[in-house]
Amino acid sequence: NAGVTQTPKFRVLKTGQSMTLLCAQDMNHEYMYWYRQDPGMGLRLIHYSVGEGTTAKGEVPDGYNVSRLKKQNFLLGLESAAPSQTSVYFCASRNAGPTNNEQFFGPGTRLTVL
Amino acid sequence: RKEVEQDPGPFNVPEGATVAFNCTYSNSASQSFFWYRQDCRKEPKLLMSVYSSGNEDGRFTAQLNRASQYISLLIRDSKLSDSATYLCVVNMPAGGFKTIFGAGTRLFVKA
Repeated sequence: NAGVTQTPKFRVLKTGQSMTLLCAQDMNHEYMYWYRQDPGMGLRLIHYSVGEGTTAKGEVPDGYNVSRLKKQNFLLGLESAAPSQTSVYFCASRNAGPTNNEQFFGPGTRLTVL
Repeated sequence: RKEVEQDPGPFNVPEGATVAFNCTYSNSASQSFFWYRQDCRKEPKLLMSVYSSGNEDGRFTAQLNRASQYISLLIRDSKLSDSATYLCVVNMPAGGFKTIFGAGTRLFVKA
């Protein structure tokens, strides 16, 4: 049971390049999330999904797209990277239902945009 | 005003000390509360949920004060291994559940 995994762990991009971050979970969780974490700020929600085939915008969705084609995978795309997107990106998942609110996080992807 | 606010610290304490963190939240309809721990360059992990009656897990005690809209975390007999950032997390009932993370309080425990 690997929990939540993220690929890649590190990446450096040039402004304007695109990339996709992959999140995978093996806990059969319904809900999945993408966050970014910047110094001095809490985790901010980019996009989330409440089930296979569904996605929704979070607090800071601009410049990102997501897809949830399979229940276990949640992909985050950067269409045209900008220096402001330099951050640590965390994926998380949890069971549906208000009584099971613990979110399980992946190890993070450290992205630098030059 | 931020929806969830924490003192960023850092708190520098000696081993064996007792240290307390507070967190305030703005939405009185918030329904569930948690403390997560995040080690340097690692992912956040659940430390404990916070219940209205207060709850304890070993050296850690969490309290909720709904009237004043704050939660607290008390760590007794601090260990070097307690050094981390502690995140206050609040779930608000907004179109399902909206989870808000505080920016975290950094704790350094020194020998």
